[in-house]
Amino acid sequence: GAVVSQHPSWVICKSGTSVKIECRSLDFQATTMFWYRQFPKQSLMLMATSNEGSKATYEQGVEKDKFLINHASLTLSTLTVTSAHPEDSSFYICSAATMGTQYFGPGTRLLVL
Amino acid sequence: RKEVEQDPGPFNVPEGATVAFNCTYSNSASQSFFWYRQDCRKEPKLLMSVYSSGNEDGRFTAQLNRASQYISLLIRDSKLSDSATYLCAVNRGYSTLTFGKGTMLLVSP
Repeated sequence: GAVVSQHPSWVICKSGTSVKIECRSLDFQATTMFWYRQFPKQSLMLMATSNEGSKATYEQGVEKDKFLINHASLTLSTLTVTSAHPEDSSFYICSAATMGTQYFGPGTRLLVL
Repeated sequence: RKEVEQDPGPFNVPEGATVAFNCTYSNSASQSFFWYRQDCRKEPKLLMSVYSSGNEDGRFTAQLNRASQYISLLIRDSKLSDSATYLCAVNRGYSTLTFGKGTMLLVSP
């Protein structure tokens, strides 16, 4: 149980394009999902908390207009990286919470050329 | 003091060794504690929750020391497959977690 999927698993795109990443909880409902970013050899950094039916809560320093989050249902949250630039290249990982525990998706590797 | 601190390691141990990691946290109001394992270029996977009374799962034992505000993870009889980065996580809200930077473990033959 507690399986989280993420799609796509990797993306290569040109600078200036927008990239949408989906996070789904497959066997449970998650009122709260989280989006993290991890640069090579760095720790997980929480970007935002996504709540079903309401606006996401962004961590300090994360631009909400740059990283658009939508949590339209209890099993789906999406992160859109708008006008991606090379410095946005990173490993983006979502997690979904149930019973106070977070379970992670497999992550999306984004490379912006 | 950082919210969650871990010794980054790496801890180099031979197969069969016992190894322990500690993780300190600053928020005395924290109620939930976890150990995650992260393999290279993969997502973190929940290893175990840490309960006040301590808990054991096979070769893994986790303990919580509220007075000194740290959690520990003990791995007995290390296997090559235990090589990974071990992340501790502490809650700051119902399900929001703050992660440590991780401790790298390398188990050698």
